[in-house]
Parts: sequence; C-alpha cells; structure tokens
Amino acid sequence: DAGVTQSPTHLIKTRGQQVTLRCSPKSGHDTVSWYQQALGQGPQFIFQYYEEEERQRGNFPDRFSGHQFPNYSSELNVNALLLGDSALYLCASSSQDQPQHFGDGTRLSIL
Amino acid sequence: GNSVTQMEGPVTLSEEAFLTINCTYTATGYPSLFWYVQYPGEGLQLLLKATKADDKGSNKGFEATYRKETTSFHLEKGSVQVSDSAVYFCALLDPYGNNRLAFGKGNQVVVIP
Repeated sequence: DAGVTQSPTHLIKTRGQQVTLRCSPKSGHDTVSWYQQALGQGPQFIFQYYEEEERQRGNFPDRFSGHQFPNYSSELNVNALLLGDSALYLCASSSQDQPQHFGDGTRLSIL
Repeated sequence: GNSVTQMEGPVTLSEEAFLTINCTYTATGYPSLFWYVQYPGEGLQLLLKATKADDKGSNKGFEATYRKETTSFHLEKGSVQVSDSAVYFCALLDPYGNNRLAFGKGNQVVVIP
C-alpha cells in the first residue's frame, strides 16, 4: 500500500518563474493538505483540498494556488517565485478525522 | 489563534539517557495533540497522538500525556538510541474540525553513542 507520494523530489527555479508540485494521496484518503517548511522551522499550513474544492487556506498570498483532481491527487502552483519561497513543500493526506500522513516533500530552491 | 511552543535549541544526549522535549499549546477548545518525527531527507511521520485530556499517547518507547491544566504535551523516552536522532515536532489539530495542523518549530535531537 503506497503512502503519500510527491514529485519531483528536488527542483531549482529562478526568481519570477512559476512552479507546479504534485501529490498522490495514500490509498483511501480523500483530503489533501499542503504545508511549507522553511529551513529550521516547523511546517506552515498553506491550504487544504476536499472534493476538488479548496476547503480552507492559511496565511499565504494568492501566488499560491492549487487543484485537486477526481482521483484525489493534487497540485500546488506557485507563481512569480521569490527567494523566500525556497523551502520543503510537504503534502499530507487524510480521511475524515484520521491523522494526516505526510509525503517526503519537494525541496524547492530559488536562485 | 492556535499555536504550539517547543523548547528552544537542539538536544544532545548520550545513548540510554532519558529524553524530555517540552511542548505547550494555546488553543480555543480542546484540540487533538500530536508528536511527529522527521528523519534526515524525509517527510514527517506520526509518532503518537492524544485526543483528550489525560490521554497518554505512546509508541516505540516514547510517551506524552495530554495535560489540560498546564496546556502541555511533553514528549519523553526512558532510554534513547542512536537511531532516535531526528527532528521532533509537536502539533495540534484545530479543535473545530478544520483538520489543519499547527506545528511547533521542532527540536533537533542528537544521540551520541
């Protein structure tokens, strides 16, 4: 039973570019949440998707957007990249009130 | 808003020593509480959880008790191993069903043989 899978594992971009990160949830999970983890910090909640809709959002600008597909997989898009967007981006999946399971993340570096 | 505070700084200790990592929280209502562990180059793994006051979560020799009176959820292990070296995060789940986690800053634990 595959857990949460994320792609790519690493990515290097330059300022002003756009990036798309992908996440496949654990089998049986229907909710996907995205977190940003800056170096040396705890993860910060970006947003959550359920039934292909953004259900709630953390304190992130509109440059951060997402999507959930009918198979529950999800994408995180970031436009107009800034140096401060360099971080580990974590995807977590869950179902109803079950604990969230995390993927290994995508390490995004902005030059 | 909801927040979690973990003790400052890394923790370095010898193998078989006793480990304590402090965690306190601020929340309206009664959140569920979690400890996650992150090994180098990996994502977060759920270590243990507690969903109501006085609950004790336990796993792999680690324990934490949900203390409502002190709003704390301290992590303990009686005898650490080198393989316990990792970053440990305390987290709470929004008590109003939003299923979003709020994390502390984490503590790096280094166990020396």
